[in-house]
Amino acid sequence: QSVVTQPPSASGTPGQRVTISCSGSSSNIGSKYVSWYQHLPGTAPKLLIFRNNQRPSGVPDRFSGSKSGTSASLAISGLRSEDEGNYYCAAWDNSLSGVVFGGGTKLTVL
Amino acid sequence: EVQLVESGGGLVQPGGSLRLSCVGSGFTFSSYWMMWVRQAPGKGLEWVASINQDGSEKYYVDSVKGRFNVSRDNADNSLLLQMNSLRTDDTALYYCARGLGLTPHYWGQGKLVTVSS
Repeated sequence: QSVVTQPPSASGTPGQRVTISCSGSSSNIGSKYVSWYQHLPGTAPKLLIFRNNQRPSGVPDRFSGSKSGTSASLAISGLRSEDEGNYYCAAWDNSLSGVVFGGGTKLTVL
Repeated sequence: EVQLVESGGGLVQPGGSLRLSCVGSGFTFSSYWMMWVRQAPGKGLEWVASINQDGSEKYYVDSVKGRFNVSRDNADNSLLLQMNSLRTDDTALYYCARGLGLTPHYWGQGKLVTVSS
């Protein structure tokens, strides 16, 4: 059971906006930067968001991140079929002295 | 272009040992935290271990403490994971990753480790 919680699934139709939540505690999300990853079948995970809301070069601005207190969110606007896959949040945890990942959210594009 | 290429892995019996290697290129290897992350079949991502730039700090997930050892050789741009006393629940795809701060940025393609009798 992850110390950081994500909904197991999310869905939307092409063009819609979907959000994925990530809930933690003061020892991780509440005090550390949050990163978000996209993991498509058969590929390596890809960093989408770092430092809560920053996008690496090459990541479309359809992807955005935010953080408030001990929770964070990933928003995907203009949903596309190629966005279908698994999404994970992560942060360093000061109490565990390690990286904690959320359990992952499977995004389905209907 | 940043590249991370893992090697090693394979099939091992419970209680056995295995070593994973990862060679980085396209960046100054010695400037970054490096880490291992795994994904068991049908499960999510799980962080395994991290090591700082000069190897003086190492961190492990509780389930591998005392059994796994992470190390690096900055002269060879290599990251190693020595895995001892392997258990069936260590079966997973193991990814090498370069850090952005303390969390992963770039990832390798992964190497499968199967622990089974």
